[in-house]
Amino acid sequence: GAGVSQSPRYKVAKRGQDVALRCDPISGHVSLFWYQQALGQGPEFLTYFQNEAQLDKSGLPSDRFFAERPEGSVSTLKIQRTQQEDSAVYLCASSLPTVYEQYFGPGTRLTVT
Amino acid sequence: AQSVTQLDSQVPVFEEAPVELRCNYSSSVSVYLFWYVQYPNQGLQLLLKYLSGSTLVKGINGFEAEFNKSQTSFHLRKPSVHISDTAEYFCAVKFNAGGTSYGKLTFGQGTILTVHP
Repeated sequence: GAGVSQSPRYKVAKRGQDVALRCDPISGHVSLFWYQQALGQGPEFLTYFQNEAQLDKSGLPSDRFFAERPEGSVSTLKIQRTQQEDSAVYLCASSLPTVYEQYFGPGTRLTVT
Repeated sequence: AQSVTQLDSQVPVFEEAPVELRCNYSSSVSVYLFWYVQYPNQGLQLLLKYLSGSTLVKGINGFEAEFNKSQTSFHLRKPSVHISDTAEYFCAVKFNAGGTSYGKLTFGQGTILTVHP
């Protein structure tokens, strides 16, 4: 079956622009996670959704970062007024509830110039 | 503080040699433990996980790991590596505290395994 998909795969933004990153989880997976992976580092947790409810947003680095999942399926991570330090790979993962195996998408590489 | 440390950033090894990638964590609560592999320009793929039971866990592609609670370690091993094992490997931990019933993961910094012919 289809895995987790993310789009775009690559995004170049000029400093100050807004960007939107999309995640399509595996069908039926109610849990959805966003992680940020800086160059040479491990992924870091950003936020968690259970269906459409955002239950944990403790990892969002600033109020410029906003995530939503309005219908409990597709999720969008939005970054406003991008800064150079936002350059990273943004990974989306989904899983069944209380099943701790997360399935990761290929990521979106964001470069802010 | 809860943290995950991968002690080696790079591990070079020859084909058919054994390898061990080290992972230690710091926690005062119970944990679930995972190893993921990341090939270039791809997402992370789960190699194996420890939730409970036997401390020796076998995963895909011939990898195994052993949970050592007293040493707070979860080292990954393979008795004989192949060229195709060249990738970056991440140790990840779910800290079971604060009523966190979902699978929020804390990752180590990663270890790049390079297998030479």
